[in-house]
Amino acid sequence: QSALTQPASVSGSPGQSITISCTGTSDVGSYNLVSWYQHHPGKAPKLMIYEVNKRPSGVSNRFSGSNSGNTASLTISGLQAEDEADYYCCSYAGSNSFYVFGTGTKVTVL
Amino acid sequence: QVQLVESGGGVVQPGRSLRLSCAASGLTFSNYGMHWVRQAPGKGLEWVAVISYDGSNKYYADSVKGRFAISKDNSKSTLYLQMNSLTAEDTAVYYCAGHSGSYPRGGFDPWGQGTLVTVSS
Repeated sequence: QSALTQPASVSGSPGQSITISCTGTSDVGSYNLVSWYQHHPGKAPKLMIYEVNKRPSGVSNRFSGSNSGNTASLTISGLQAEDEADYYCCSYAGSNSFYVFGTGTKVTVL
Repeated sequence: QVQLVESGGGVVQPGRSLRLSCAASGLTFSNYGMHWVRQAPGKGLEWVAVISYDGSNKYYADSVKGRFAISKDNSKSTLYLQMNSLTAEDTAVYYCAGHSGSYPRGGFDPWGQGTLVTVSS
């Protein structure tokens, strides 16, 4: 199972909105079990979105998720300096491959 | 608070074995399915293995199937990863993560800070 495809980098100014895409094959669209993780290097990754568009308790409502066909998206609105990190999508891929992560996107706040 | 702490990483020669541990606190460990996820230097995250809450079901990525074994001791609130026949391609930071929600729904939460495994002669 190949990794899901994400843009290598996305940037935006404070206060702006950015969107990170995550494209796969049938896994992304079939299961609607896409999650997103924020990873500051050297720290533990953090769950930001699960099941495409659900936010865990404590995660800012500036983070939102969606899905269209085989492409999932993470939108960060009102961009803040603390949002600068690596972001990974992950999809359940069925009982043969189980879980597949995306290639990762580095978010830079200008 | 909820905490996962990995240990057991280090430098190991190709072909040798290593066992990683992940000690959990602040959560009811026996209720959690658990994952191992790794990140090779300069690369992205790669899912490695998952074990069900009671240890009865285990699944592996093709890249480690037959070489790695995941297990958990609910009495000790500890997750393990036995890694055999290691190669340079196994060099990575290894993270343990809980499965939050009813598998396969939900997501990976919480996560540990990771332990570095370097396979080198």
